[in-house]
Amino acid sequence: GESVGLHLPTLSVQEGDNSIINCAYSNSASDYFIWYKQESGKGPQFIIDIRSNMDKRQGQRVTVLLNKTVKHLSLQIAATQPGDSAVYFCAENGPGGYNKLIFGAGTRLAVHP
Amino acid sequence: GAVVSQHPSRVICKSGTSVKIECRSLDFQATTMFWYRQFPKKSLMLMATSNEGSKATYEQGVEKDKFLINHASLTLSTLTVTSAHPEDSSFYICSAADSLSGANVLTFGAGSRLTVL
Repeated sequence: GESVGLHLPTLSVQEGDNSIINCAYSNSASDYFIWYKQESGKGPQFIIDIRSNMDKRQGQRVTVLLNKTVKHLSLQIAATQPGDSAVYFCAENGPGGYNKLIFGAGTRLAVHP
Repeated sequence: GAVVSQHPSRVICKSGTSVKIECRSLDFQATTMFWYRQFPKKSLMLMATSNEGSKATYEQGVEKDKFLINHASLTLSTLTVTSAHPEDSSFYICSAADSLSGANVLTFGAGSRLTVL
């Protein structure tokens, strides 16, 4: 079946550097994408979303880029902080609608001082 | 902002018993809630869609009689793991979206960790 996947399972960065987390999706019909942050033992926390009619969206210290041509999604975190350490998941809306999400495998971000 | 509460956050039970997990939307109404399961160091897998006032919709491979879902009100969905076995041990997470806001932003609960001995 179609699924969302990630290129890198683990990413280690120095505090203050920029982080880029990548995600490849396979369902060309998906039109809504979300990035979630999950800390250990907690539920996913919404970071930023983007619809397929856009290729870039910015939030506070975060930017999501969408390349529909190659079905690629990325999350950029500026000036990464220790509090950013977590697992990051990309998700896409499933065939059941916007709220029926399909999650990618996840990338662990480790921020070192 | 929207808050989704799950209870209990942790539960340990003996094999063969049933465990109920509650998912509540605290400050909004949710006609639909979603239940996910997450194994250690793995992603979230959608189990079922909980529909207020009607039957839940289960994903392929999820046993309906094993994982009973009840959505009796606009703010509460429950997941009951019946006759639990060690392989049912997992992190169960629910999510909900405000039915009235139209924002389509899901809020997730903090999860419930089930350990079956």
